[in-house]
Amino acid sequence: GESVGLHLPTLSVQEGDNSIINCAYSNSASDYFIWYKQESGKGPQFIIDIRSNMDKRQGQRVTVLLNKTVKHLSLQIAATQPGDSAVYFCAENIEYKLSFGAGTTVTVRA
Amino acid sequence: DTAVSQTPKYLVTQMGNDKSIKCEQNLGHDTMYWYKQDSKKFLKIMFSYNNKELIINETVPNRFSPKSPDKAHLNLHINSLELGDSAVYFCASSQDRRSNQPQHFGDGTRLSIL
Repeated sequence: GESVGLHLPTLSVQEGDNSIINCAYSNSASDYFIWYKQESGKGPQFIIDIRSNMDKRQGQRVTVLLNKTVKHLSLQIAATQPGDSAVYFCAENIEYKLSFGAGTTVTVRA
Repeated sequence: DTAVSQTPKYLVTQMGNDKSIKCEQNLGHDTMYWYKQDSKKFLKIMFSYNNKELIINETVPNRFSPKSPDKAHLNLHINSLELGDSAVYFCASSQDRRSNQPQHFGDGTRLSIL
């Protein structure tokens, strides 16, 4: 499943499929980006980060892609599992402040 | 061991009251933050302290006053609570104030104003 375009507030994905969550950031001077996962009743949990001098970074089952030309960030989750159901936020860091995107709610269908 | 802990988890109170939320981090970080998350899940920074010194103060009513007794603690005091203050407040910390540092969040304090 994929949230196509700049941002979609919800994404429904079949268990086992790959998920792609998209995010547009606002400031071309932003030098650091983070993806967070927030489960119900919990605080945002760090997933993966990327600096502006990179265009791709991989973690365990997750990959972040950065396209500075169009100011776009994406998070790919491989083999989505029920435990991946949550709200996902991208955040850009500029001048010591994190600015968060609107969040995408990911629901995993069994 | 919880890295960033906030108390209380829930706070229900009447308009006009004064309340405090406490935050402690055991990560040895120098920088701490307060965020407000509204009903639409928008997260916005309110304050940041670096080693007990205020470094970020966004446009927040002066009814909100952060206090950092030491670098492991950042408390938030709110005077004369209003209906619009109802939200989830998150404390976070990072190793220092450099921009390439992830912030680690507590589990939030849900404030409800009656």
